[in-house]
Amino acid sequence: EAQVTQNPRYLITVTGKKLTVTCSQNMNHEYMSWYRQDPGLGLRQIYYSMNVEVTDKGDVPEGYKVSRKEKRNFPLILESPSPNQTSLYFCASSLTEQTEAFFGQGTRLTVV
Amino acid sequence: GNSVTQMEGPVTLSEEAFLTINCTYTATGYPSLFWYVQYPGEGLQLLLKATKADDKGSNKGFEATYRKETTSFHLEKGSVQVSDSAVYFCALSDRGSARQLTFGSGTQLTVLP
Repeated sequence: EAQVTQNPRYLITVTGKKLTVTCSQNMNHEYMSWYRQDPGLGLRQIYYSMNVEVTDKGDVPEGYKVSRKEKRNFPLILESPSPNQTSLYFCASSLTEQTEAFFGQGTRLTVV
Repeated sequence: GNSVTQMEGPVTLSEEAFLTINCTYTATGYPSLFWYVQYPGEGLQLLLKATKADDKGSNKGFEATYRKETTSFHLEKGSVQVSDSAVYFCALSDRGSARQLTFGSGTQLTVLP
């Protein structure tokens, strides 16, 4: 089954404790992105990747890092989380930048 | 830059009512336009899309027409069901950009029996 898998689904952490949210897709897609969803703001892009070792900043990259060492994986790293990073995070992948994006189930992160 | 403006919600309708959710966009290139739907507790899934002017996307009774002259992509359904209750997002993807999707703020739809 074609899918994008994110882990964990829920995470509560404390300010400053490094964390990684994993994302994996099994569709051999070139493009992957991370979004955060906040009430009234829709989804805002954090980082995107066009291929292995090729990443770039989206609209709200501050406080986040990503890597794309393999085509299927695109982890999101918060080196020192802060409460304003409390949000619902989605990973997405697509064959090209113009084609349908497939989304993971989401990761609800709370930073206290 | 690119942007998508969506009708403010929430929207509450009775079953079998007509639905319109307005969406307008600004893009520097030649965008493809999408409607995504998010059911409670789930990720987004594609509802329909249109890739060029005057194209009509349709799926599950929903329709939207790509209007270049008014830069709009309004979502419509003739008769909504309780199962259509969800958050709907309008989005664009610009051929001149590798950044995948730019989203609107989303519209919460609740359909009452």
